[in-house]
Amino acid sequence: AQSVAQPEDQVNVAEGNPLTVKCTYSVSGNPYLFWYVQYPNRGLQFLLKYITGDNLVKGSYGFEAEFNKSQTSFHLKKPSALVSDSALYFCAVRAPGEGSQGNLIFGKGTKLSVKP
Amino acid sequence: DAGVTQSPTHLIKTRGQQVTLRCSPKSGHDTVSWYQQALGQGPQFIFQYYEEEERQRGNFPDRFSGHQFPNYSSELNVNALLLGDSALYLCASSLALVTEAFFGQGTRLTVV
Repeated sequence: AQSVAQPEDQVNVAEGNPLTVKCTYSVSGNPYLFWYVQYPNRGLQFLLKYITGDNLVKGSYGFEAEFNKSQTSFHLKKPSALVSDSALYFCAVRAPGEGSQGNLIFGKGTKLSVKP
Repeated sequence: DAGVTQSPTHLIKTRGQQVTLRCSPKSGHDTVSWYQQALGQGPQFIFQYYEEEERQRGNFPDRFSGHQFPNYSSELNVNALLLGDSALYLCASSLALVTEAFFGQGTRLTVV
């Protein structure tokens, strides 16, 4: 069965410091991987995706993610955190071969808290 | 471009009642998916509509049903509401192979 794990319920970072939000996945074949962010009482906003190619993917708002096939991980990173980055972050996977017809499988989410 | 729009934003229903939620996809998108997000959880896939047909379905009972209209907009219907149906219901639209899904702001359903 396909699954996504976000091992940390919460990540606390000081403003200006680098941040990492972890994600590992389990899926047969080469997955499509996504990161979304959710602010309170809002829907999900797309940050970035990995489909194929360069293992380092750059996305919106200065975020990037590194795909590691051997470790089945897709960790979200940012070199310098902002207080406004505080939100709930979701990693998601779409099974290969399903394209836009495939549903997204989400992790349970990681709450990022950036303190001034 | 208005993006994905959902209505209503909030509603309160009584156990046993029926509810209809609506979604208009992002302009040009032809595929609509619905997700249920319980408090403190990640979104769970309910079903997906393409060309007015249900193409995929998650692990949800038949009380959950949907429809897609010729203009690609969609409805989610839930019958015989249970307290456990209280959640944020998210609509997402997409178009081409391997593109990301765009989400609406969600409908917060409270069942009392």
